[in-house]
Amino acid sequence: DGGITQSPKYLFRKEGQNVTLSCEQNLNHDAMYWYRQDPGQGLRLIYYSQIVNDFQKGDIAEGYSVSREKKESFPLTVTSAQKNPTAFYLCASSMGQFLNTGELFFGEGSRLTVL
Amino acid sequence: QKEVEQDPGPLSVPEGAIVSLNCTYSNSAFQYFMWYRQYSRKGPELLMYTYSSGNKEDGRFTAQVDKSSKYISLFIRDSQPSDSATYLCAMSALPGFQKLVFGTGTRLLVSP
Repeated sequence: DGGITQSPKYLFRKEGQNVTLSCEQNLNHDAMYWYRQDPGQGLRLIYYSQIVNDFQKGDIAEGYSVSREKKESFPLTVTSAQKNPTAFYLCASSMGQFLNTGELFFGEGSRLTVL
Repeated sequence: QKEVEQDPGPLSVPEGAIVSLNCTYSNSAFQYFMWYRQYSRKGPELLMYTYSSGNKEDGRFTAQVDKSSKYISLFIRDSQPSDSATYLCAMSALPGFQKLVFGTGTRLLVSP
């Protein structure tokens, strides 16, 4: 079955530690995205990549880093510089870049808790 | 003021009821409008996509856009317990996915 796999589903981290969230897709999509979801707030875009070896900052990129070395993989690192990392993180992908050419497909999310 | 406002709910209805979910927005340039459904601890999935104004129907779901009032709605007819989820509106002025602005979501509970 085609889809997006995020791992781990739940992750606990001590303050000051970096953590990497995995996102893999087998949909052959060019574009991939990372969002953060917090209670009382809409999904906010952290980073996106429209093609391999290229990525762009979203609205809240500070304290995060990404890489896009393979088409199917877009890992997100939450660094110790991120002030409020506890959140639900969602990875998504799309065939093309534009809303009228397809849709965003989301993974099941990773819940990060900083202790 | 947020660009997109959505009542968080929860909205509780009995099975079979007609449900109306709404979002208001402040950016008059928005022209792409979407509704997503998100089950607990899952990722959102696209329900409806509308470009510009008007209505769109898909089965029990109808999406309505009123650009003059900066107001969009999602109607669910004959609601089912399986419709219990959080419904997110999303919209954009530009065609790129990276420009989407999401509402906070409305939690819907449909009781048998």
